[in-house]
Amino acid sequence: KAGVTQTPRYLIKTRGQQVTLSCSPISGHRSVSWYQQTPGQGLQFLFEYFSETQRNKGNFPGRFSGRQFSNSRSEMNVSTLELGDSALYLCASSLETGRRDGYTFGSGTRLTVV
Amino acid sequence: GNSVTQMEGPVTLSEEAFLTINCTYTATGYPSLFWYVQYPGEGLQLLLKATKADDKGSNKGFEATYRKETTSFHLEKGSVQVSDSAVYFCARRETSGSRLTFGEGTQLTVNP
Repeated sequence: KAGVTQTPRYLIKTRGQQVTLSCSPISGHRSVSWYQQTPGQGLQFLFEYFSETQRNKGNFPGRFSGRQFSNSRSEMNVSTLELGDSALYLCASSLETGRRDGYTFGSGTRLTVV
Repeated sequence: GNSVTQMEGPVTLSEEAFLTINCTYTATGYPSLFWYVQYPGEGLQLLLKATKADDKGSNKGFEATYRKETTSFHLEKGSVQVSDSAVYFCARRETSGSRLTFGEGTQLTVNP
């Protein structure tokens, strides 16, 4: 069974640009979450989608947005990039929302803003 | 708020040594608890989990017991290998939501 697939693996963008990252969850998983990982802040929750609806959102500015499609694939978008947005962005999928489930993570997209 | 605190790293051990990485959580609600491992250049892999008090999660020789009385979920392994070198994250998942709250991560290096 294929794992969580994130594309692209690496990105270099310039300040002020926007970027879209993609995540394909494990087949059958309907919950997709996004996390930002940086050396200074560690792992921080961005948002979670379930059945195309945003269920939870972390404390990030409105420049960070996302969506989920009917096939459960998800995208996140960051507009007006800042240097501080450089990070590893991780996507995770789960069968459904529920406290007993663990999430399966992808390998991440490494975003560098210059 | 809800938080997870891990012992500070880095931790350096010799092969076959005993490993303990401490993790404590705030006692709000009845969270599920997890240990994830991150190898260089990769995402997070679920190592083990426990969903209620006194549950013991185990996988690949690693164990952790959900201790409600001490709000702890310490990771242990009796004999580490070089291939265990990675960063380990303790995490909690809220009872009413789905987000994971992670500890700071502990870098483990195992020398031959």
